[in-house]
Amino acid sequence: EADIYQTPRYLVIGTGKKITLECSQTMGHDKMYWYQQDPGMELHLIHYSYGVNSTEKGDLSSESTVSRIRTEHFPLTLESARPSHTSQYLCASSESREFYNEQFFGPGTRLTVL
Amino acid sequence: AQKVTQAQTEISVVEKEDVTLDCVYETRDTTYYLFWYKQPPSGELVFLIRRNSFDEQNEISGRYSWNFQKSTSSFNFTITASQVVDSAVYFCALSAPNSGYSTLTFGKGTMLLVSP
Repeated sequence: EADIYQTPRYLVIGTGKKITLECSQTMGHDKMYWYQQDPGMELHLIHYSYGVNSTEKGDLSSESTVSRIRTEHFPLTLESARPSHTSQYLCASSESREFYNEQFFGPGTRLTVL
Repeated sequence: AQKVTQAQTEISVVEKEDVTLDCVYETRDTTYYLFWYKQPPSGELVFLIRRNSFDEQNEISGRYSWNFQKSTSSFNFTITASQVVDSAVYFCALSAPNSGYSTLTFGKGTMLLVSP
């Protein structure tokens, strides 16, 4: 069973605030991902990491940043939140030794920026 | 370039009906993997199945079955005797050497609503 956690689950904040969405996994997976899911359901990859000190931008341009200092931890930060950042954010991880890249997902953080 | 198309945005059925969710993919690679994920209202994506491009056998797991046809680049998902708990968004996804197998290409999802 996948063990990947995201906090907070729900967050409502005002414009201009700095926020960090937390993601942790206990499976020792090297690869981790952040997806943004718009209200129309579509998933957009915004960041991913192959391992410690590795981060890459995904398919969708995002104003967020990520860091990977520890294998198990992959936080996402928005320096100045805007209403356009309102979305569901999903974190995932996968085992790098697995050729096929099956990803395990966290429960998501639903962010609302007023 | 890789692409996954789920043409059905939303499907509504009544409980006990059978329903098929379509997935069509595009890739230039001969080796690739296909996935189905379920996203219930709680939000997390739950892995359902993985298929590699060399295994065209259909698979059945309880009320779920998958039909993989390379000739038509399709990987369709059928739920037999649907139940209210099947209500969710379902995503089809592709992993291939084109992306170094590092990322998944997702379809836009199909929302399934099963009413009592």
